[in-house]
Amino acid sequence: DAGVTQSPTHLIKTRGQQVTLRCSPISGHKSVSWYQQVLGQGPQFIFQYYEKEERGRGNFPDRFSARQFPNYSSELNVNALLLGDSALYLCASSLTGGGYGYTFGSGTRLTVV
Amino acid sequence: GESVGLHLPTLSVQEGDNSIINCAYSNSASDYFIWYKQESGKGPQFIIDIRSNMDKRQGQRVTVLLNKTVKHLSLQIAATQPGDSAVYFCAASTDKLIFGTGTRLQVFP
Repeated sequence: DAGVTQSPTHLIKTRGQQVTLRCSPISGHKSVSWYQQVLGQGPQFIFQYYEKEERGRGNFPDRFSARQFPNYSSELNVNALLLGDSALYLCASSLTGGGYGYTFGSGTRLTVV
Repeated sequence: GESVGLHLPTLSVQEGDNSIINCAYSNSASDYFIWYKQESGKGPQFIIDIRSNMDKRQGQRVTVLLNKTVKHLSLQIAATQPGDSAVYFCAASTDKLIFGTGTRLQVFP
């Protein structure tokens, strides 16, 4: 069975640009969450979606947005990129969200120059 | 809000020894805790979990202990192997996961 898949695996962007990251959950999972992991730190919660609705949002600026599609895949968008947005962006899927049963993808490594 | 912290950034152990990684949390309302292993270039991988109504849970070569009185978690790895080398995170789960900063486990021969 395929796990959580994220694309692209690596990405280099320039300050001020916009980026879209993609995530496909495990088949049957209806919840997707996004986390940002800065080098040397633990992942920080950005968003959670369940059945295409936003269930939670972390302490991130409005430059960060996300959505979930009818097939439960998800996109994370970041506008007006800053150097500090350089990080590993992780997607996790679960059956229903709510803090249980998460499986993480391998992430997208974003470098802002 | 909840915060989670790990006691040591790096732990070095000899192959075959037991490893103990510690973690503290702040919110008494957290009722579910998870340990993750993260290897270089990969996402966090589930190791073992424990609910707040338990003190101890065992898996294959791993044991998690929960002390709710002092809000402390530990992960014990028996007979540590080179393949155990990674960064280990504890996470407290509410409606989302709150991660600690991680402990890097280094296993030397």
